[in-house]
Amino acid sequence: EAGVTQSPTHLIKTRGQQATLRCSPISGHTSVYWYQQALGLGLQFLLWYDEGEERNRGNFPPRFSGRQFPNYSSELNVNALELEDSALYLCASSLGTLTGELFFGEGSRLTVL
Amino acid sequence: GNSVTQMEGPVTLSEEAFLTINCTYTATGYPSLFWYVQYPGEGLQLLLKATKADDKGSNKGFEATYRKETTSFHLEKGSVQVSDSAVYFCALSEGRGSTLGRLYFGRGTQLTVWP
Repeated sequence: EAGVTQSPTHLIKTRGQQATLRCSPISGHTSVYWYQQALGLGLQFLLWYDEGEERNRGNFPPRFSGRQFPNYSSELNVNALELEDSALYLCASSLGTLTGELFFGEGSRLTVL
Repeated sequence: GNSVTQMEGPVTLSEEAFLTINCTYTATGYPSLFWYVQYPGEGLQLLLKATKADDKGSNKGFEATYRKETTSFHLEKGSVQVSDSAVYFCALSEGRGSTLGRLYFGRGTQLTVWP
C-alpha cells in the first residue's frame, strides 16, 4: 500500500512568487493535514481538510491556503512568498476523525531566495 | 493554550544504554499524548500513544506513561540499538473546539546511537 506522497521534493522560489505543493493521502484516508517545519521551530499546524472542506487552520496568514479535491488529494498554496516561508512542508493523512495517528509524507522543502 | 516542551538534543548514546527523553505539556483540557519518530529519509510515524492519565503507551521496547500530576510523558527505553537513531517528537491532541484536528508538537530530539 502506498504511503502519503508529496511533490515536489524540493522547490526554489524567489520573494513575492507563489508556491504550490501537492499531497496524495493513503488510499481510503479522507483527512489531510499540512504542517510547516521551519528550522528550530518544530512542526506548526497549518491546515486540516476533510471531505473536501477546510475544517481548521493554524495561526498563519491568509496567503497560506489550500484545497482538497474529490479524490482527497490536496494542494497547499503559498502566495507572496517571504524569506521566512523557507521550510519543510509536511502533509499527513488519517482515516476519518483524528485519533492522533497521522501518517506523514516525507515533505516538500521550499526555499525562498 | 496548548504546548509541548521536550528536552533539547542532540542525545548521543552507546548501544545498550538506557534512554530517557523528557516531555512536558501544557493543555487546557484532557489531551491525548503521543510520541512520533522520524527515521532518516522517512516521514514521521507514530511510535506510541496514551489517551488518559496513568495510561502507558509502549512499542518496539519504548515506553511512556501519561502523568497528569506532573504533566509529563517521558519516553524511555532500557537498551537502545543503532537502529533507534532518529528524531523523536512528543505531541498532544485535545480534539475539541478550535483545537480539533491539530497536533501540537515539541521541537524534536535527535538521538544518535553508536555501536
